[in-house]
Amino acid sequence: DQQVKQNSPSLSVQEGRISILNCDYTNSMFDYFLWYKKYPAEGPTFLISISSIKDKNEDGRFTVFLNKSAKHLSLHIVPSQPGDSAVYFCAASGGGKLIFGQGTELSVKP
Amino acid sequence: DTEVTQTPKHLVMGMTNKKSLKCEQHMGHRAMYWYKQKAKKPPELMFVYSYEKLSINESVPSRFSPECPNSSLLNLHLHALQPEDSALYLCASSHRLNTEAFFGQGTRLTVV
Repeated sequence: DQQVKQNSPSLSVQEGRISILNCDYTNSMFDYFLWYKKYPAEGPTFLISISSIKDKNEDGRFTVFLNKSAKHLSLHIVPSQPGDSAVYFCAASGGGKLIFGQGTELSVKP
Repeated sequence: DTEVTQTPKHLVMGMTNKKSLKCEQHMGHRAMYWYKQKAKKPPELMFVYSYEKLSINESVPSRFSPECPNSSLLNLHLHALQPEDSALYLCASSHRLNTEAFFGQGTRLTVV
């Protein structure tokens, strides 16, 4: 039972354009949501988070949007840069647990 | 400083060995986590400690035994592992439960 889902295993974007990564969750106990960036054989790096009381949080080129009624969140990266190429994990926190989605591999082409 | 330090970085162990993975943080965080990650899969939660007490065990086999000696340290004791336990083991910490968690670089474990 996947409580956090990222339905796109991969995404390819041109440098300078917007990257949009999507995530859905099923458990209403989740009240805090996070995005992580990960390179192979390394630990995930925290990018940005959002509380369930907000619908948007922005940090530089990264913006996370939360639609609670749809149980959906998205990460926007603009403008995308080649250094953004990595696997991006959505994670949801609640009840003491931090549960990850399957990840989306982002490739930003020059 | 958002550093979580894990040792060793790599570990090869036989199925009859006993070994331990170590994790340390000095951020004053009171929640610490162990995750297991296989290739092409997301990190999978194993254990959660809150204020040095085990609060969540995700039905992990008893051959994995966590320990939290103090608020800065988290250990994972390994005994009689199987080859399918080979994975990247990740430690994380957060200020408290349900806040941003920061991860270490992981220990790449190979069971032979």
